[in-house]
Amino acid sequence: DIQLTQSPSLLSASVGDRVTITCRTSRGISNYLAWYQQKPGKAPELLIYGASTLQGGVPSRFSGSGSGTQFSLTISSLQPEDFATYFCQQYSNYVVTFGGGTKVEIK
Amino acid sequence: QITLKESGPTLVRPTQTLTLTCTFSGFSVNSRGESVGWIRQPPGEALEWLSLIFWDGVEQYSPSLKNRLTITKDISKNQVVLTMTNMDPVDTATYYCVHRLNYYDGTVYHRAFDFWGQGALVTVSS
Repeated sequence: DIQLTQSPSLLSASVGDRVTITCRTSRGISNYLAWYQQKPGKAPELLIYGASTLQGGVPSRFSGSGSGTQFSLTISSLQPEDFATYFCQQYSNYVVTFGGGTKVEIK
Repeated sequence: QITLKESGPTLVRPTQTLTLTCTFSGFSVNSRGESVGWIRQPPGEALEWLSLIFWDGVEQYSPSLKNRLTITKDISKNQVVLTMTNMDPVDTATYYCVHRLNYYDGTVYHRAFDFWGQGALVTVSS
C-alpha cells in the first residue's frame, strides 16, 4: 500500500492566519491526491481533488498544490469555520489510502 | 443532489457478522462509471477504505480485510450492502458509505469520494 504522511499532526493558528499542511506519499502518485475536511461528529467533506482542483462550493481561500510525492493544502486566511481536521488521500492505486490527519485548532 | 445513508446495528458481539446497508438517491449504481464504497474510522483515528462496488458489478476489497468482506448492490432498492464476518473489538468504528467521483479532466479520471453518508457507529463488545 502507498503510505501517506501528513505534517504537522496538530496546528495551532489564529483567525486570519495563512496555514499550510503537507502530505508526503511513499511513492509517486502523479496528481491523484484529494483533501478532505472533517468536523467533530461529521463525515469528511471533499475539498480538493487532482491535487489542486477545488470541489464545487469550496471557498477559494483553500488551495492545493504538488505532484509526485509532495503535496500541500493551504488556507490563505483561516476562518472560524475552518477549525477542523484535514486528511489527504491518494487514489492512484485501487487500494486508496489516507493520511493520519492534521487537526487545526484555535491558538 | 446525491445523498447516502447508512443503517445497521449499533452493537455487535465478537465473532458475529456485521451487515450494513447504504440507501442512496440522486444517481443509479447501474449507470456507467458509478461506484459506491465503504470507509471506516475508529474513534479518534484515521480513515480506512474497505470496499467498492462498480456499476458493472466488479467488487474491490481492502487486501487486509478481503477474507471478511462482501459487498453487494440492489439496483431496485438503490442500496449497497456490506457484510463483515468475525467481528472483533478492534472493528469498532464509524462506517461511512461513499459515492466515488468519476470525473475526466481530459487527461485522466479523478476518483476521490465526493459524497459521504452521515456515518454509522458500530461498537463491537460482549
